[in-house]
Amino acid sequence: GAGVSQSPSNKVTEKGKDVELRCDPISGHTALYWYRQSLGQGLEFLIYFQGNSAPDKSGLPSDRFSAERTGGSVSTLTIQRTQQEDSAVYLCASSLGSSGNTIYFGEGSWLTVV
Amino acid sequence: TQLLEQSPQFLSIQEGENLTVYCNSSSVFSSLQWYRQEPGEGPVLLVTVVTGGEVKKLKRLTFQFGDARKDSSLHITAAQPGDTGLYLCAGAGIHGGSQGNLIFGKGTKLSVKP
Repeated sequence: GAGVSQSPSNKVTEKGKDVELRCDPISGHTALYWYRQSLGQGLEFLIYFQGNSAPDKSGLPSDRFSAERTGGSVSTLTIQRTQQEDSAVYLCASSLGSSGNTIYFGEGSWLTVV
Repeated sequence: TQLLEQSPQFLSIQEGENLTVYCNSSSVFSSLQWYRQEPGEGPVLLVTVVTGGEVKKLKRLTFQFGDARKDSSLHITAAQPGDTGLYLCAGAGIHGGSQGNLIFGKGTKLSVKP
């Protein structure tokens, strides 16, 4: 596609439920990133993929968070047993490579845990 | 502790005025990026600075990277209502983190009134 595509754009879920957020990067981009943007906190790095492997997942806040990428393309971020503090905009981004290339962000998935 | 401090957090000015946004850290970055984000959208890259002391110009926007690569500034000349948005700085290559692990400041919310 023309840009990074994320779905759903908005998700309201009950505390304790699992959610899956999907990211479709720009075609041909080997690097894929997940960030979280909370009110008043700025953007927070979660995980970075190069191809299908994740050389840096240091930003995942707990073991309730996991992400995978298959076929070097689509990625899924899964949050298990959601908590209210998980409410945020989850932004996916991609780039041609990991070093020195422009990073393009999607519009984000707005998650609200009630 | 916020690794990248941005100031001011909020800025409301009249069309035609000049402004400067600052991004400061006690850490050295291998590169620093400036993004602009509008409501409901992901951040869009404006510029990347790599060399200490570097100055880059993008029309009415001037970006400077400090000599020690710890701080940066964004200066806008003759601001226009179209400049309204959230301006974010982001540093890469800190504490041995991957190039994909960007450290973001909390942002400066700029409002330019006609």
